[in-house]
Amino acid sequence: TQLLEQSPQFLSIQEGENLTVYCNSSSVFSSLQWYRQEPGEGPVLLVTVVTGGEVKKLKRLTFQFGDARKDSSLHITAAQPGDTGLYLCAGASGGSNYKLTFGKGTLLTVNP
Amino acid sequence: GAGVSQSPSNKVTEKGKDVELRCDPISGHTALYWYRQSLGQGLEFLIYFQGNSAPDKSGLPSDRFSAERTGGSVSTLTIQRTQQEDSAVYLCASSLEGQVYKNYNSPLHFGNGTRLTVT
Repeated sequence: TQLLEQSPQFLSIQEGENLTVYCNSSSVFSSLQWYRQEPGEGPVLLVTVVTGGEVKKLKRLTFQFGDARKDSSLHITAAQPGDTGLYLCAGASGGSNYKLTFGKGTLLTVNP
Repeated sequence: GAGVSQSPSNKVTEKGKDVELRCDPISGHTALYWYRQSLGQGLEFLIYFQGNSAPDKSGLPSDRFSAERTGGSVSTLTIQRTQQEDSAVYLCASSLEGQVYKNYNSPLHFGNGTRLTVT
């Protein structure tokens, strides 16, 4: 069974601060996705990374896929209240490339 | 265009009753997925449809759970003889194709879920 461990589980910071959340596994994934979920809504895809060592930037968000494709990180610069939400990582493996294994998420609160 | 639509948004039922949850995927999306999100848990894969066929039902927790898809579109997830441990948010997602990891043009689009409470 493939597992994705996310840390921290909860994070509460002030507007303007930087933060990093982590997604780790002992298994290798073909790709890894990051989603953000707001209360009462479904997860919304932020990014997909597929190459070991890959770094993707979306405005203030930077995503990195580990060289061994077992881990990933999400870094947010100058966090804003609108960044508040549950951040989920999800991995796909080549054998079942339609099936995603999700972590439990990091609940981020950015206070004004 | 319209996103993935799920109904009802909330369902409260008594233990032992049957429930049906509905998912309307994005038009033209051939792949459809059901996931379950329990408090404090990550999303748990339940079943995957490609067209009307379900090549992977491995995530269904027990034989009380079943799902079907008709016309390559609407899907219903049925839970028979509901138990309290079935309480969760049931999320449906669709994608253009089933190749999640290779096809950047085929991301998953999730609905807002059905929150099921079994009393």
